[in-house]
Amino acid sequence: DAGVIQSPRHEVTEMGQEVTLRCKPISGHDYLFWYRQTMMRGLELLIYFNNNVPIDDSGMPEDRFSAKMPNASFSTLKIQPSEPRDSAVYFCASSFGRSEQAFFGQGTRLTVV
Amino acid sequence: KQEVTQIPAALSVPEGENLVLNCSFTDSAIYNLQWFRQDPGKGLTSLLLIQSSQREQTSGRLNASLDKSSGRSTLYIAASQPGDSATYLCAVRGGSARQLTFGSGTQLTVLP
Repeated sequence: DAGVIQSPRHEVTEMGQEVTLRCKPISGHDYLFWYRQTMMRGLELLIYFNNNVPIDDSGMPEDRFSAKMPNASFSTLKIQPSEPRDSAVYFCASSFGRSEQAFFGQGTRLTVV
Repeated sequence: KQEVTQIPAALSVPEGENLVLNCSFTDSAIYNLQWFRQDPGKGLTSLLLIQSSQREQTSGRLNASLDKSSGRSTLYIAASQPGDSATYLCAVRGGSARQLTFGSGTQLTVLP
């Protein structure tokens, strides 16, 4: 398996624009997580899905952020409108069950100018 | 709410030394604990997974222990090498929440 695949790897956008980050989890995994990493706050959970259903989105900063998982092999994280404070590295991770190890993608480095 | 703390925040050692990284967590009702490595500008690489019923796991020069009752884990690195230089992150999973909660990491530098 190719692992968790995220795209794009880098994204530079202007404030106010819509940004869509994409994630393909490892085949067969039933948990998918979106994390954000910044120097100030470290790794923070934004939202996670179990069997394509959002379970906990309490980490989503505000209504500008939304996430979907239309099927078991694809998820998106959308920011609309984007702001400079959204600049961070966004990671997607997946796992099989709650007791197995989680695997992370390479991340998307987002810069909002 | 689960909180994870890693000490020290940074560590610099000469090549060949054995070293220990520490991780503590506040809620002992966990499913598992995972140690990751992160190189600058890169993603997270899983090093070791310890289930809540286990006391330790070993992989090569790495040994991780878990004391769930006291809320502590250690990552032992034997005979450190410059290639071990990276940030090491501890994450716990479980309790009422099924996501991973991360510590802030230990930045390790191994000097040649």
